[in-house]
Amino acid sequence: GAVVSQHPSWVICKSGTSVKIECRSLDFQATTMFWYRQFPKQSLMLMATSNEGSKATYEQGVEKDKFLINHASLTLSTLTVTSAHPEDSSFYICSARGGNSPLHFGNGTRLTVT
Amino acid sequence: KQEVTQIPAALSVPEGENLVLNCSFTDSAIYNLQWFRQDPGKGLTSLLLIQSSQREQTSGRLNASLDKSSGRSTLYIAASQPGDSATYLCAVSPMEYGNKLVFGAGTILRVKS
Repeated sequence: GAVVSQHPSWVICKSGTSVKIECRSLDFQATTMFWYRQFPKQSLMLMATSNEGSKATYEQGVEKDKFLINHASLTLSTLTVTSAHPEDSSFYICSARGGNSPLHFGNGTRLTVT
Repeated sequence: KQEVTQIPAALSVPEGENLVLNCSFTDSAIYNLQWFRQDPGKGLTSLLLIQSSQREQTSGRLNASLDKSSGRSTLYIAASQPGDSATYLCAVSPMEYGNKLVFGAGTILRVKS
């Protein structure tokens, strides 16, 4: 079946550095990708929606200059956490959909900022 | 604003027991409701999707019901197994938001052998 690959699965970085997370659809063309953030024992919170070839739409309260999203192709979207701080430590999950196909989720990325 | 609540937050049962997880949502204007499973440190696996016009969906030992007018859904797991241990998330697709999903905080299920 369709698979969404997210990389890396975990990353530790120093405060002030930037981290890039990739989300790839492996066997379908993802016209829309979603980025979520999940704090421990809390629900997934949608950060932004990206459509291939256009700018991402950010949810209220999400800083677009801090969380840069690029969806340059039908199989790849990236989330870059710029100038990361400890409070950005979280579990980031992407999901992807192509046309009317079901939504598929990646396995998530655990980000720890020291 | 759509809000999704799941009860209980955590549940521990012996193997073989039948169990019910509850989900409620504040706005009945939804396209569909989905139940997901999330294993620790992993992404989400879709279990069941119920369209707004449907009352229930079944897959194997899982049965999900939807009462849109009262803003409620239940996930019934029959003959639970240790492998069912995971976090179960309920999410609705609000008509107001199109493609987006609004998630509950989940129910952490532990099935003891």
